[in-house]
Amino acid sequence: EAGVTQFPSHSVIEKGQTVTLRCDPISGHDNLYWYRRVMGKEIKFLLHFVKESKQDESGMPNNRFLAERTGGTYSTLKVQPAELEDSGVYFCASNMRGRTDTQYFGPGTRLTVL
Amino acid sequence: KQEVTQIPAALSVPEGENLVLNCSFTDSAIYNLQWFRQDPGKGLTSLLLIQSSQREQTSGRLNASLDKSSGRSTLYIAASQPGDSATYLCAGRVSSGAGSYQLTFGKGTKLSVIP
Repeated sequence: EAGVTQFPSHSVIEKGQTVTLRCDPISGHDNLYWYRRVMGKEIKFLLHFVKESKQDESGMPNNRFLAERTGGTYSTLKVQPAELEDSGVYFCASNMRGRTDTQYFGPGTRLTVL
Repeated sequence: KQEVTQIPAALSVPEGENLVLNCSFTDSAIYNLQWFRQDPGKGLTSLLLIQSSQREQTSGRLNASLDKSSGRSTLYIAASQPGDSATYLCAGRVSSGAGSYQLTFGKGTKLSVIP
């Protein structure tokens, strides 16, 4: 069974540019989560999808971040325009039952904004 | 708001030693607590998940305990090996009140096992 995959593994962009991160969850997992770790800080929750619906987006830092999950399969997280403080590692996770199941994490996308 | 603390931030032990990693959380209304391992440049690997109704879980040389009343969890590693060197993260699952069950992470403990 394939795990959670993320693309790209690393992205380097300049301030003001746009970047789109992609996450493919484990097949059959309705729940998809985005997390972020910025330098020196703990991993923090961004948002949670159940199928194609946003269940909780309370962790999204501001309106420069837009997450979508069309069709309830893969998800994208777009940052537009990117700022220096957006640099960090963006993780995606998925599970079947939100409350009780292990969340399975992808390898992350390392975003560097110059 | 849930806060998770891990002490120590870094730990170095000789190979073969047993060790305990600590995790404390502020909100006892957690649904479960998950321990992860992260290798440099890699993603998170789930090690153990303890539901709120459980007190411990075991997998091989790993044993995790959960005490909701005191807001603590420990990860015990027996007979440590150099391959155990990694950063260990604990995360508590709470309800956001919006039907979501987000994980709240600690900053992790970086473990080095010296051959």
